[in-house]
Amino acid sequence: AQSVAQPEDQVNVAEGNPLTVKCTYSVSGNPYLFWYVQYPNRGLQFLLKYITGDNLVKGSYGFEAEFNKSQTSFHLKKPSALVSDSALYFCAAYAGNNRKLIWGLGTSLAVNP
Amino acid sequence: IAGITQAPTSQILAAGRRMTLRCTQDMRHNAMYWYRQDLGLGLRLIHYSNTAGTTGKGEVPDGYSVSRANTDDFPLTLASAVPSQTSVYFCASSIGTSGSADTQYFGPGTRLTVL
Repeated sequence: AQSVAQPEDQVNVAEGNPLTVKCTYSVSGNPYLFWYVQYPNRGLQFLLKYITGDNLVKGSYGFEAEFNKSQTSFHLKKPSALVSDSALYFCAAYAGNNRKLIWGLGTSLAVNP
Repeated sequence: IAGITQAPTSQILAAGRRMTLRCTQDMRHNAMYWYRQDLGLGLRLIHYSNTAGTTGKGEVPDGYSVSRANTDDFPLTLASAVPSQTSVYFCASSIGTSGSADTQYFGPGTRLTVL
């Protein structure tokens, strides 16, 4: 079955430290991969996506993600976390063979001052 | 440009009542979607529409219906609400169809409680 896994329900980091939110996927073919962020009581906002090309994708608010085909991963990273980055982060993968977007369950990021 | 608007922001509803959640987009996107978000279950697709006049079922369509009379509006109706439909509902849209990998843009959500 095709799936997206976010292995950590919660990630805690100190402000100013680097952060990583993990995502692994299992989809057929070449995946399109997405990261979205949800701030409290808000809808999801698009952060970045990987379609093809450079494995390192840069997105909004200083976030970036690295596509690793051999490890089937697409981890979200930021060099220096801000308290305002505290939110729920969702990874999603587009499965081309059945033409649907598969969502991870989300990771709650808490950045402590 | 507002993007996607949803109404109401929140609602408390008695079980058995009929309820329509409204969604309007002003981006002229082709595809629109309804998701529900529940703790521990993430986002689940209820229904989608690739273009005006067409709709399709997502992974949890039972108890819900949709219509797409025009490009901008995509209402979600609960014909007879049940407590298990208590959730936060998000409308989204994308330029391309649901079968494409286009970015989806989300509304602010409707928090629905069915008692």
